[in-house]
Amino acid sequence: TQLLEQSPQFLSIQEGENLTVYCNSSSVFSSLQWYRQEPGEGPVLLVTVVTGGEVKKLKRLTFQFGDARKDSSLHITAAQPGDTGLYLCAGANAGGTSYGKLTFGQGTILTVHP
Amino acid sequence: ETGVTQTPRHLVMGMTNKKSLKCEQHLGHNAMYWYKQSAKKPLELMFVYNFKEQTENNSVPSRFSPECPNSSHLFLHLHTLQPEDSALYLCASSQSSADISYEQYFGPGTRLTVT
Repeated sequence: TQLLEQSPQFLSIQEGENLTVYCNSSSVFSSLQWYRQEPGEGPVLLVTVVTGGEVKKLKRLTFQFGDARKDSSLHITAAQPGDTGLYLCAGANAGGTSYGKLTFGQGTILTVHP
Repeated sequence: ETGVTQTPRHLVMGMTNKKSLKCEQHLGHNAMYWYKQSAKKPLELMFVYNFKEQTENNSVPSRFSPECPNSSHLFLHLHTLQPEDSALYLCASSQSSADISYEQYFGPGTRLTVT
């Protein structure tokens, strides 16, 4: 069974601070996705990383896929109250019995205070 | 708006009731998924359909019965549920489960409460 450990589980910061969320596994994934979910809504896809060592930027958000494709991080610069939400990482496996399935981390609840 | 709609958004049902959840995707995708999201637990995959065929049943109790009449619609029929089945039920779709990037697009979910 593949597991994705996401940390921290909770993060409460002030507006303007930087933060990093981590997603770690002992398994190799063919790709990894980050989602953001607001209360009462479904997860919304932010980014997909596919290549080991890949770095993608989305405005103030920077996503990195580990060289071995076992871990990933999400860094937010100068956080804003609008960044508040549940952040989920999800790893995809391209083969075997896990074909087509995403393994989700337990999520990080981020609260950014004005 | 992700292109995936779910109805109803909220549902309260007794343990002896029968109800159905509906999902529709407007993205031209071929794969659809049901997930269960409970507090303090990771998202749990329940069922996967590819081109209307069920390809995954993640040991889900028989009181949950999925139906996929075509690639755009997915239902989850519920009967004799238990209070611990109360959760947010999410539907998702993707190009196909063979898509190398496996990008899934989620609906807003149905908040189910079993009394």
